[in-house]
Amino acid sequence: KAGVTQTPRYLIKTRGQQVTLSCSPISGHRSVSWYQQTPGQGLQFLFEYFSETQRNKGNFPGRFSGRQFSNSRSEMNVSTLELGDSALYLCASSLELRDRVDEQYFGPGTRLTVT
Amino acid sequence: GDSVTQMEGPVTLSEEAFLTINCTYTATGYPSLFWYVQYPGEGLQLLLKATKADDKGSNKGFEATYRKETTSFHLEKGSVQVSDSAVYFCALLKAAGNKLTFGGGTRVLVKP
Repeated sequence: KAGVTQTPRYLIKTRGQQVTLSCSPISGHRSVSWYQQTPGQGLQFLFEYFSETQRNKGNFPGRFSGRQFSNSRSEMNVSTLELGDSALYLCASSLELRDRVDEQYFGPGTRLTVT
Repeated sequence: GDSVTQMEGPVTLSEEAFLTINCTYTATGYPSLFWYVQYPGEGLQLLLKATKADDKGSNKGFEATYRKETTSFHLEKGSVQVSDSAVYFCALLKAAGNKLTFGGGTRVLVKP
């Protein structure tokens, strides 16, 4: 079974621009979560989607948004990019069966550099 | 709020040495606990997990036991290899909202 895929793998953007990152979960997985990884702040939770609905959101400004499609694929968008948004953005998927906590499987990440 | 604390690295070892990475957590309720590993330039790989007190997770020679009385989930391996050089993350997960809370990560360097 194919793992979590993320596109693109690398991006270079300029301050003020916006960017869209894509994530395809493992087949059959219905929950998709996004995390930001930086040397200073470590791994931080951005948001989680299940059945096209955002169920949980981390402490990030409104410039960070996401969505999930009916096939469980997800996108996240960052508008008005700032230098501090430079990070590795990781997507994770999980099966999410009823009454069970499932492990999350991560993609390789998208490395975003803002100049 | 929930938090995870890991020993800071880097941890430098010789091949075949014993590895321990300490992890403690603070959380309400009964979280599941995980260890993830990250190799250079890659995403996170699930190493092992434990979902309730006294569970032992194990994989690829690594082990960790969920100790509720000490709120700990220390990672151990009896004999490390150069290929174990990576950054290791301890994390907790609660059912509500499917949010992983990570520790700061511990870099391990194994020398031949």
